[in-house]
Amino acid sequence: AQKVTQAQTEISVVEKEDVTLDCVYETRDTTYYLFWYKQPPSGELVFLIRRNSFDEQNEISGRYSWNFQKSTSSFNFTITASQVVDSAVYFCALSERRGGSRLTFGEGTQLTVNP
Amino acid sequence: GAGVSQSPSNKVTEKGKDVELRCDPISGHTALYWYRQSLGQGLEFLIYFQGNSAPDKSGLPSDRFSAERTGGSVSTLTIQRTQQEDSAVYLCASSLAGTSGETQYFGPGTRLLVL
Repeated sequence: AQKVTQAQTEISVVEKEDVTLDCVYETRDTTYYLFWYKQPPSGELVFLIRRNSFDEQNEISGRYSWNFQKSTSSFNFTITASQVVDSAVYFCALSERRGGSRLTFGEGTQLTVNP
Repeated sequence: GAGVSQSPSNKVTEKGKDVELRCDPISGHTALYWYRQSLGQGLEFLIYFQGNSAPDKSGLPSDRFSAERTGGSVSTLTIQRTQQEDSAVYLCASSLAGTSGETQYFGPGTRLLVL
């Protein structure tokens, strides 16, 4: 069965600090996909990134970067020089090829960036 | 449309009443998904549509829950004889073809409160 664990329930930082959100996943499938979504106070889930299991190359997009390590089954998300607008709940999610199209979400991490 | 839309945005109902929640996916997206977000259960998958058929409805919590999709577009999630534990945010998502690992785009959700 697939499972996603986000051990950090809440993180609070001061603006301009770097912050890393952890995501650990479990799957028996050899082909799978990992996602990060952002849920701001408005409630809508905003897609951030998608990776497949065959592509371990780390990715950077502006202040955001993602570290995918199959050896530790982790897909961590780092925000560099955090800003107040980054305050949101962040969800990591997993989709297995054999599991069809459904997403399995982690519990989410509430990030608060204080001015 | 530009994004996934859902209506109503908020719904308050009395225990035992039936409710209908509506989702309008992104134009051209053949796959549609319903998820539920509640305090105790996190984000959980309910049902997936490919066109008008539902190949995966394994996440529906009871036979009080049903969903349909017509014309390969709008979907309605119906909850009969609502219970207090049905109170949650119901999120709809759509994706282009519904293939495994495809990015899903979410609507703003319907907040359901059962009194």
